[in-house]
Amino acid sequence: DIVMTQSPDSLAVSLGERATINCKSSQSLFYSSNNKDCVAWYQQKPGQPPKLLIYWASTRQSGVPDRFSGSGSGTDFTLTINNPQPEDVAVYYCQQHYTTPWTFGQGTKVEIK
Amino acid sequence: EVRLVESGGGLVQPGGSLRLSCAASEFTFDSYWLSWVRQAPGKGLEWVANINQDGSAKYYVDSVKGRFSISRDNANNSLYLQMNSLRVEDTAVYYCARHSSGWFVAPIDIWGQGTLATVSS
Repeated sequence: DIVMTQSPDSLAVSLGERATINCKSSQSLFYSSNNKDCVAWYQQKPGQPPKLLIYWASTRQSGVPDRFSGSGSGTDFTLTINNPQPEDVAVYYCQQHYTTPWTFGQGTKVEIK
Repeated sequence: EVRLVESGGGLVQPGGSLRLSCAASEFTFDSYWLSWVRQAPGKGLEWVANINQDGSAKYYVDSVKGRFSISRDNANNSLYLQMNSLRVEDTAVYYCARHSSGWFVAPIDIWGQGTLATVSS
């Protein structure tokens, strides 16, 4: 199984700063059929289901604010939140959608100072 | 609005069974892969199983193989998860989820609100 390892487990950022979450996969997630990496990022707020933010490593889902961006390739990926807002307090998960069993990172809890 | 609504959760004793259902609306149901994803209380997300558009391909996480069965009824826009030989560690909120396209590698873009299955004596 592909292991997805996120870091850090939690972080607190101030308004106006940048939040960076890293995700490392145990093997390449490059999908040759479309030359993209099969990594998604989800946001989950308490008591709610996850919400898709980013897929194919860097494609922002429709309706997601542009302060959220994804980058990376191969086995190393990053979710960046520029100028995080109070409503961005949540747990963020990376996930590989390359092969079964689909696997998630352990989650990163983001708080605002 | 695209919607997924789960039902069927509840309290069951270890070794018992539950059948979860998911009713879909406002999209062409038989064009998409579908998944079940679970989340134990206070824990992270775990993908459980998925199924292709016509039900001919099904995949499971190892921990549920031989105990859980995913199925779908395209005529009634419904997804199911039959859970047998339940264990305490199967206690979780179970989410029904839609993949974003007909591709096997398409990410999940729509989630239901979840239904809680509790396995306890």
